Amino acid sequence: QSALTQPASVSGSPGQSITISCTGTSSDVGGYNYVSWYQQHPGKAPKLIIYDVSDRPSGLSNRFSGSKSGNTASLTISGLQAEDEADYYCSSYTSSSTVVFGGGTKLTVL
Amino acid sequence: EVQVLESGGGLVQPGGSLRLSCAVSGFSFSSHAMGWVRQAPGKGLEWVSAISGSGSSTYHADSVKGRFTISRDNSKNTLYLQMNSLRAEDTAVYYCAKGIGGGWSKHDYWGQGTLVTVSS
Repeated sequence: QSALTQPASVSGSPGQSITISCTGTSSDVGGYNYVSWYQQHPGKAPKLIIYDVSDRPSGLSNRFSGSKSGNTASLTISGLQAEDEADYYCSSYTSSSTVVFGGGTKLTVL
Repeated sequence: EVQVLESGGGLVQPGGSLRLSCAVSGFSFSSHAMGWVRQAPGKGLEWVSAISGSGSSTYHADSVKGRFTISRDNSKNTLYLQMNSLRAEDTAVYYCAKGIGGGWSKHDYWGQGTLVTVSS
């Protein structure tokens, strides 16, 4: 199972919006609504920010939103803040009854 | 408050074995699937294994199939990962993570991880 494809890096200024893409195949992202997104700060454990394509865990800021079109899922962060600077990973359930992660995207807040 | 605490990591020689444990509290353990995800130094996340709430169903990545076994003891609120025939490429921080409801492919609470180093 090949890793999902994410851009290596994205950047934005405070207050702006950015979108991170996550491209897979019809056997994972495109075939199921089981895409999740995680935020990871250096030296810390991952934190769930989106699951089932667009659902947010209770208490999480609505600045984070998720969507999917075909084999590509997307994470949008609006109103960028300095604390959003982190690595972001997408993951998806697969037709082989496994989970595949994306390679990760480093978000820099300028 | 949900707590997830891994233990059992350390230095092991290639070909050796290690068993990781994950003690949890703050939720109904047997009602939730659990999983292991690893991260090699400086690399991205890699899914390893998952197990249903009852323990009757298990899932493993191809990279560890036949070498790693996930299990759980619901009476002890503890998850395990038995790792055999370890290779250098298994060196990573291993995270234990709680599944959301009955789902095992998404995780809402993670431990801080335990480092496994495979080296001679």
